[in-house]
Amino acid sequence: AQSVTQPDIHITVSEGASLELRCNYSYGATPYLFWYVQSPGQGLQLLLKYFSGDTLVQGIKGFEAEFKRSQSSFNLRKPSVHWSDAAEYFCAVGPNTGTASKLTFGTGTRLQVTL
Amino acid sequence: GAVVSQHPSRVICKSGTSVKIECRSLDFQATTMFWYRQFPKQSLMLMATSNEGSKATYEQGVEKDKFLINHASLTLSTLTVTSAHPEDSSFYICSASQSSLNYNEQFFGPGTRLTVL
Repeated sequence: AQSVTQPDIHITVSEGASLELRCNYSYGATPYLFWYVQSPGQGLQLLLKYFSGDTLVQGIKGFEAEFKRSQSSFNLRKPSVHWSDAAEYFCAVGPNTGTASKLTFGTGTRLQVTL
Repeated sequence: GAVVSQHPSRVICKSGTSVKIECRSLDFQATTMFWYRQFPKQSLMLMATSNEGSKATYEQGVEKDKFLINHASLTLSTLTVTSAHPEDSSFYICSASQSSLNYNEQFFGPGTRLTVL
């Protein structure tokens, strides 16, 4: 069964500092990988996704993530965090198919940004 | 593009009543919609997958008679929580899938906060 682990439940960084949120997955083959952000009381917004090709993917709001097959990881990074980045971040994995398939989400990492 | 709406955004009801939540894809046709449930400070748990014109597929442990899902058109799916109880209080999020070249990416609605008194 596929699973996603986000080891850090809560992270606090200073505004302007760099950020890395960890995500490890367990899957039988190369999955599709996603990072979503959720503000309080809101739905999910897609930050970026990895399907194939270049293992470093760029997303919105200055985020990027790197797929490392050998480590089964898909960590999210941002060079300089802004106060508006404070939110909940979810990593998700889906099967490598061409049809709509369910996603498995990690437990999320809550990001707090101090000024 | 690819906007998904949910209505209502927030609902409070008495125990024993039924509540209907609508999920609409506003600018695309969604052949598949997903319903998730999220408890406070927890992740999203998939409840069911809904395909237009056919019966929904429920995840293990989800009561299909309690959580009725209807996907009558390519732009609308509804989730009805029947005989709601306080333990059904949660944040319900839908997503809609649009065909693309590589993958039917899911677009999420803003969620519905259900409180059962």
